[in-house]
Order: sequence, then C-alpha cells, then structure tokens
Amino acid sequence: DQQVKQNSPSLSVQEGRISILNCDYTNSMFDYFLWYKKYPAEGPTFLISISSIKDKNEDGRFTVFLNKSAKHLSLHIVPSQPGDSAVYFCAASRYNAGNNRKLIWGLGTSLAVNP
Amino acid sequence: EAGVAQSPRYKIIEKRQSVAFWCNPISGHATLYWYQQILGQGPKLLIQFQNNGVVDDSQLPKDRFSAERLKGVDSTLKIQPAKLEDSAVYLCASSLAGGETQYFGPGTRLLVL
Repeated sequence: DQQVKQNSPSLSVQEGRISILNCDYTNSMFDYFLWYKKYPAEGPTFLISISSIKDKNEDGRFTVFLNKSAKHLSLHIVPSQPGDSAVYFCAASRYNAGNNRKLIWGLGTSLAVNP
Repeated sequence: EAGVAQSPRYKIIEKRQSVAFWCNPISGHATLYWYQQILGQGPKLLIQFQNNGVVDDSQLPKDRFSAERLKGVDSTLKIQPAKLEDSAVYLCASSLAGGETQYFGPGTRLLVL
C-alpha cells in the first residue's frame, strides 16, 4: 500500500528550464510534507517542506505547491542547474499512535539536468 | 553545526556473519531513526528512539536486528546473522523532539555475500 506516490521514476530537463516533480498521497492524516534530495553514496538532504495549512512555500529556486483537495504536491525548480541532478524523494508526515511523527516516503524521481 | 555522523561508510560481510553500525545524531536532537534503503526504493523505517526509549520498531526484523541508544545520544544497530537480502544502505537520521524535519547521515552501505 503505497501511501505516497511519485509516478515518474525519471525526468530529464535542459539547463535553465523549469523542473517539475510530482507527488500524490492517499492519507488525509498527513499534515506536513517534505522534499529530500539524494546524491549517489550520500544520505538524503532536506530541501524544502510545507505545512498542510499552506498551499505554497518558496526557498530560492525551489517552490513547493500543495493541493490538499487533490492530495497532490509538486516541487518546482527554476532555473534548473546541472548540480540539481539527483534523486528527489517526496515524504509525508503524520503523528502515529504514540504521538510521534512518522515519515512515509515515495520511491523517488531521478532528475537529470542537461547542460 | 555538526551533522549526523555514521560509521563505517562501507561494509562487506559474508552471510551468517554479524555486523554493527554506529550513529551519532545532531546535538540536542532527542529523536533518532534507523532506516534501511534498498536500491530504487524510499527509506524504510526500522526503529525510532525518543531519547533512550523505543517508540516504533514495528518494521524491525527482531529475530536478527537489534538496536540500542543506551544514553540517549549515540546509537548502534546490529544484524546477527546477516542474510543476502540485508544488502542495503542503512541510514541514521535525527530530529528535535516532535520535529517535522529529519536530518540524515551519509549512510552505511552494506553488502552481504
């Protein structure tokens, strides 16, 4: 039961253009969403997040949009740079039974930014 | 501020051997997580500690995996005996108590032959 889905395993864009990575979720109990970036042989690095009470959060070239009614979020990277080439994971957070937060992860989207 | 530290970075063992991984979280982070990540998948939570207590170990294969965080700071994850399917990257992460954001270490890449 994949509660967080990243339906595009890979994406290729030209340097300078916009990269749009998508994520869908099924559990309405999720109240916080995060994007992580992962380079080979490294751990995931936190990129940007958004609370369910917002519909947009921006940090430099990175913007995350949340559509709660559609249970959909997206990460926009503008402009894309070759150094952005990595695997991007969407993760959704909720409280578990013990009132502790738990992250549910998507399978990741591999982004390639071509010079 | 120092990040999450993990060691070793790489380990190769034969099946049925034992192995241990170490993690030191970010200073002041009460919550510590161990994940297993298999190639092509997202991280899978193995165990979550709040200080030195376990709050979630529902996906930890307890017949072969064990973890401890005795003093509420650093933690050790052990596999004994290892199986071929344990080949994966083992990630440690930490967060503030109740914090939404987890911060990850570089991971330990385990290969079981």
